[in-house]
Amino acid sequence: GQQLNQSPQSMFIQEGEDVSMNCTSSSIFNTWLWYKQDPGEGPVLLIALYKAGELTSNGRLTAQFGITRKDSFLNISASIPSDVGIYFCAGQRETSGSRLTFGEGTQLTVNP
Amino acid sequence: DAGVIQSPRHEVTEMGQEVTLRCKPISGHNSLFWYRQTMMRGLELLIYFNNNVPIDDSGMPEDRFSAKMPNASFSTLKIQPSEPRDSAVYFCASSSPLEGVKLFFGSGTQLSVL
Repeated sequence: GQQLNQSPQSMFIQEGEDVSMNCTSSSIFNTWLWYKQDPGEGPVLLIALYKAGELTSNGRLTAQFGITRKDSFLNISASIPSDVGIYFCAGQRETSGSRLTFGEGTQLTVNP
Repeated sequence: DAGVIQSPRHEVTEMGQEVTLRCKPISGHNSLFWYRQTMMRGLELLIYFNNNVPIDDSGMPEDRFSAKMPNASFSTLKIQPSEPRDSAVYFCASSSPLEGVKLFFGSGTQLSVL
């Protein structure tokens, strides 16, 4: 089962607004990844984070690796209609080898 | 560059039939993962291979599921016999030792078992 708590589950926003979502866990993670999934497609990697406190941007997307190593955040600035989709966090725990644990996803809807 | 290629994209079958899903990982990637996605359970890891060897199959639901990787460029996930509760989207993903735990996903196979 899922060991990552991702929130919110869904968001409905207006075009141009900023968006924030996060993942938390009781476990410590070595790596955090953020993916986006479009309908009918597989998840696509957006950002990878490797160190506590790391802040990484990819265009209008910014993600942070939490200081405690138990959480991560994704922000999208100035949202546009093509940002619509499901956003997943994924983490690699200290004891999980190559396995990733995925959050439940955040469904983002952007109204033009 | 070609990404992870899965076939078929859609499969509709009747309960009791054998289903085989296919995956071609990205060339040069040495790890391959099979995931299942449902509304209820999200993304679940079924099994993963490293250098064609199954490393962790603890996520395989039951003996009806089997996976093989006969070479570095091909893997199959087989369900025999299939049941309606197997209906889901099945994803294959691959990774390279040069990129750590970054997974690159295929487009998935939408399986419907009637």
